[in-house]
Amino acid sequence: GAVVSQHPSRVICKSGTSVKIECRSLDFQATTMFWYRQFPKQSLMLMATSNEGSKATYEQGVEKDKFLINHASLTLSTLTVTSAHPEDSSFYICSARGDGLISGNTIYFGEGSWLTVV
Amino acid sequence: GIQVEQSPPDLILQEGANSTLRCNFSDSVNNLQWFHQNPWGQLINLFYIPSGTKQNGRLSATTVATERYSLLYISSSQTTDSGVYFCAGTYKYIFGTGTRLKVLA
Repeated sequence: GAVVSQHPSRVICKSGTSVKIECRSLDFQATTMFWYRQFPKQSLMLMATSNEGSKATYEQGVEKDKFLINHASLTLSTLTVTSAHPEDSSFYICSARGDGLISGNTIYFGEGSWLTVV
Repeated sequence: GIQVEQSPPDLILQEGANSTLRCNFSDSVNNLQWFHQNPWGQLINLFYIPSGTKQNGRLSATTVATERYSLLYISSSQTTDSGVYFCAGTYKYIFGTGTRLKVLA
């Protein structure tokens, strides 16, 4: 089946610094990737949708200058949390969707990244 | 925007019991999927089911797109079924509120 890898799985950073999270589709080309945020005991909240080679589409209320998303290739999307603050601490998870020919419209998730800002 | 409600929010079962989880959409939906989130946060694909019925072992799912709901059936539940079950749909994969399942040995 389709495999999506996310790295790092856990990261601790100091307040005011930036941290980058990578999301890779290992065995298929991901034309679209989604980034979600999940607070404890809550559902996943869609942050943004990224299409390869174009700017990400952010959901209402998500600061695009704080959460920079880049989808430079068909197998890699990155989320950079800039000038991180403790309130940015959360579980971030990406998903990827292929071109429909192989995986259809099914999305596959990475393992997620736990971010702690101290 | 579209709302996705799941019921029940919490469910406790004895091992071996059967259960039905429901997912209601406020508007028409496509690309409907069911996921199981394990205690480590990993989301496991269960079904991609925009319409109709599918079965995979002890799990099956039915989506009635015209009535904007989907059901996930778990039969002969096991402790490893514990976790949170989410449905998600629409082209942006909006997630439902989730059902937290605990199966007791």
